[in-house]
Amino acid sequence: GAVVSQHPSRVICKSGTSVKIECRSLDFQATTMFWYRQFPKQSLMLMATSNEGSKATYEQGVEKDKFLINHASLTLSTLTVTSAHPEDSSFYICSAPGTGEVMNTEAFFGQGTRLTVV
Amino acid sequence: AQSVTQPDIHITVSEGASLELRCNYSYGATPYLFWYVQSPGQGLQLLLKYFSGDTLVQGIKGFEAEFKRSQSSFNLRKPSVHWSDAAEYFCAVPYSSASKIIFGSGTRLSIRP
Repeated sequence: GAVVSQHPSRVICKSGTSVKIECRSLDFQATTMFWYRQFPKQSLMLMATSNEGSKATYEQGVEKDKFLINHASLTLSTLTVTSAHPEDSSFYICSAPGTGEVMNTEAFFGQGTRLTVV
Repeated sequence: AQSVTQPDIHITVSEGASLELRCNYSYGATPYLFWYVQSPGQGLQLLLKYFSGDTLVQGIKGFEAEFKRSQSSFNLRKPSVHWSDAAEYFCAVPYSSASKIIFGSGTRLSIRP
């Protein structure tokens, strides 16, 4: 199956700094990627849709100025948490839709990034 | 709007015992349904999916799920659990496409030795 690689897997940063998380589709192109957030002991919530060549689409309640999304190429989307605060500590995970015969029939997830803001 | 409900927050079963995790869906049309597993600190792995056809779906790791339209359910089953099955399990449906997912609240599975 298709592989989505997410980096870093864990990051600890100081409050007020920014952190960039990368999501790459390794063996296929993804014009769209999705970013989710998971707080401890909670489910995954869709944050935004990353679109190659256009602006990201954010879900209601997600601050676009705080969570900057850039879909730099057909294989890379980045999520930057700006001016991070302890309440931003969470598990962030990206996904990309399949292509070809599995177009729009499955999502492939990265390994996730555990962000801790101290 | 489509949604899924997982009524059980936490389930503990003995190793070797059978397992059933419940999932109820709300969906306007014929649903697409998924079960994902998340091991501690890990990403998500697709266990199985239902799009159409046979209502009993076989997945990886010995899991299966049965789609029951009359009950709006898509319960996950395994005849004999292993300690390595301890994880968080999510039932899910798509937003507008099968790659943009709405997740249920999850069921945490613990295995009793």
